[in-house]
Amino acid sequence: KAGVTQTPRYLIKTRGQQVTLSCSPISGHRSVSWYQQTPGQGLQFLFEYFSETQRNKGNFPGRFSGRQFSNSRSEMNVSTLELGDSALYLCASSLGDMRPGLSGELFFGEGSRLTVL
Amino acid sequence: KQEVTQIPAALSVPEGENLVLNCSFTDSAIYNLQWFRQDPGKGLTSLLLIQSSQREQTSGRLNASLDKSSGRSTLYIAASQPGDSATYLCAAPHGAGGTSYGKLTFGQGTILTVHP
Repeated sequence: KAGVTQTPRYLIKTRGQQVTLSCSPISGHRSVSWYQQTPGQGLQFLFEYFSETQRNKGNFPGRFSGRQFSNSRSEMNVSTLELGDSALYLCASSLGDMRPGLSGELFFGEGSRLTVL
Repeated sequence: KQEVTQIPAALSVPEGENLVLNCSFTDSAIYNLQWFRQDPGKGLTSLLLIQSSQREQTSGRLNASLDKSSGRSTLYIAASQPGDSATYLCAAPHGAGGTSYGKLTFGQGTILTVHP
């Protein structure tokens, strides 16, 4: 069973540009979450999508956006890049059902490392 | 608001030792708690998920416990090996029900080094 796949793995952009990252979840998983990881702030939640709808959102500016397609694949976009956006962006997938007693286990991909110059 | 703290921040041990990593969380209204491992430059690997109805979960040399009443979880690693060297992260859902969809609050991690 294939894991969570993120592309591209590495990318370099300059300030002011925009970037789109892609995530393919584990087959059968309908929830996709995005996280930003930096040495200073650690892992921070960006947003979560389930069945093409954003169900949850973290405290990031509107330059960070995402979407989910009918096949559960997800993309996130960062516009007007800033130096501080340099980070490892991680995608996680899960079944998405948060009813008590059900798994809720998150499985992460290898991440997309973004460097903004 | 969920806050997660991990102690110690770093740990260096000789091969073969048994060790305990600690995690504390402030909001006990959680459905589960998850432990992850992260190797340098890599993504997160799920180690163990403990449901709120469980007190322990075991996988090989790893054992995790959960005490919701005290807001604590521990990860026990038996007979440590150099290959166990990594950062270990504890993560708790941000809240109960809908407010926690996909949102985990992570501790800062424990950097483990196991010397041959």
